[in-house]
Amino acid sequence: ETGVTQTPRHLVMGMTNKKSLKCEQHLGHNAMYWYKQSAKKPLELMFVYNFKEQTENNSVPSRFSPECPNSSHLFLHLHTLQPEDSALYLCASSQGPVDEQYFGPGTRLTVT
Amino acid sequence: KQEVTQIPAALSVPEGENLVLNCSFTDSAIYNLQWFRQDPGKGLTSLLLIQSSQREQTSGRLNASLDKSSGRSTLYIAASQPGDSATYLCAVRGTNSGYALNFGKGTSLLVTP
Repeated sequence: ETGVTQTPRHLVMGMTNKKSLKCEQHLGHNAMYWYKQSAKKPLELMFVYNFKEQTENNSVPSRFSPECPNSSHLFLHLHTLQPEDSALYLCASSQGPVDEQYFGPGTRLTVT
Repeated sequence: KQEVTQIPAALSVPEGENLVLNCSFTDSAIYNLQWFRQDPGKGLTSLLLIQSSQREQTSGRLNASLDKSSGRSTLYIAASQPGDSATYLCAVRGTNSGYALNFGKGTSLLVTP
C-alpha cells in the first residue's frame, strides 16, 4: 500500500454516461496528479494540483474535468467520453511538486 | 520537449543474474529522476529517486546511477529473483517542463526460475 487509494478500480461506461473517479491520499502531501496510461504509450500527465490549485492542464479535452476540494482528495469527472479514452487512470501525490511521487492502484476505464 | 527512452523494451533472464536497465533523456536540465516498478494492471511503486546533484542511490539489491551531462541513468538489479518480474519505468522531471514527470515506455522484465 502506498497511501494513495483510488475508486472504483474498474469502470465500464457508455459514451453518454457521466461518472467520476476518486483519489484519496493519506500521506499529508500537498500536490496531487492525474495520469493516463494507454497501451504501448508512455504515461501522460493530465492535471497537477498544488495546495488545491490547478497548476497544470496538459491540453486535456474538456470532457475530463478535475476537482480538488482539499489537499487529500482529487476527483476526475467524466462525460461524453470516446472509446479511445479507455485506459488506466492513475492518481499520484507528492509532498511538493518536485518531490517523490506516490501512485495509487489506478482505475481501469473502458468506454463502450 | 523532454524525450525519455528506455532500452531494452523487454528482457528475459534466468534467476540469479545481475542486470542493467538503461534510461536516456534528451534535456539534461533536470530536477531529479525517479525509477518505478509496475506490476501488470497495477499502479506504480516508487523504487528510487535521484536528485540532479546526486550520482547514485541504493536500496537493497537496487542501485540507480545518474549521469546528467550525458543524459543517462541505469538501474542495476543484483541477484535477480522471479519476484522482480515487472515493468520498470524511468521518469525525469525537467526544470524546463514545469512540474511534469516525463516517462519512458518502460522495460518489461521477466526473471525465470
